[in-house]
Amino acid sequence: NAGVTQTPKFRILKIGQSMTLQCTQDMNHNYMYWYRQDPGMGLKLIYYSVGAGITDKGEVPNGYNVSRSTTEDFPLRLELAAPSQTSVYFCASSPRTGNHKEQFFGPGTRLTVL
Amino acid sequence: DAKTTQPTSMDCAEGRAANLPCNHSTISGNEYVYWYRQIHSQGPQYIIHGLKNNETNEMASLIITEDRKSSTLILPHATLRDTAVYYCIVGSGTYKYIFGTGTRLKVLA
Repeated sequence: NAGVTQTPKFRILKIGQSMTLQCTQDMNHNYMYWYRQDPGMGLKLIYYSVGAGITDKGEVPNGYNVSRSTTEDFPLRLELAAPSQTSVYFCASSPRTGNHKEQFFGPGTRLTVL
Repeated sequence: DAKTTQPTSMDCAEGRAANLPCNHSTISGNEYVYWYRQIHSQGPQYIIHGLKNNETNEMASLIITEDRKSSTLILPHATLRDTAVYYCIVGSGTYKYIFGTGTRLKVLA
C-alpha cells in the first residue's frame, strides 16, 4: 500500500492563478480530509468528505473547492490564488469502521503564492 | 477553538522517559483523547488514543486521569528520532479534529 499520496510536492503560483492539489489513497477509506498548516501553527481543516459524492466545509473553506467522485481521490481546487493561501497542505484519510477515526496523512504539498 | 492545552516546548534527555501533559477540562463523555506527532515537516503520525482507561502500544503509553480532564503521553525511552511536535486532540470518533499548536519536544543527546 502506498497509503495517502499527494501531488505536487511543491508549487509556486502567481496571484490570481488557479490550481488543483491532488490526493489519492489506496486503503479504501471512506473519510478524507484536507488541512492547511501555516508556519508554526497547527493544522486547520479546510474540507472533508465521508464518502464519494459527499463533501462538507471545515474551519477554513473560503477560497477552496473540493469534489469526491471516487473513493480514492479527493482533489482540492484553488480558484484565485492569494498570498494568504501560502501554506503546507495535507490530505488525510480514515476508515469508516470502528469507534475512533485514526487519520493517515500524506506527505504534504508546499504552496507559495507570490 | 482549541479544546486542549499543552506546553509549548519541552526537552528530554536521550534514553529517559518523556512525559507530555495535556489538559482537556471540557472533554465530554464520548470523546476520545488522541495523540499525533509531526516530525519536521512531514504529515502527522498517529501515536495512540484512549477513552478512559490507560493505554499502551509499541510507541507510547497514555495515562488519563480518573476525571478525564487531563492526560499524559509517555515515551518510555526517548531517542533523537522522537524529536517532533506532539499534538493532543479530543474528538468523538467523528472527523473534525482540532489541532492546537502542540508541544515541541526536543530530545537531547
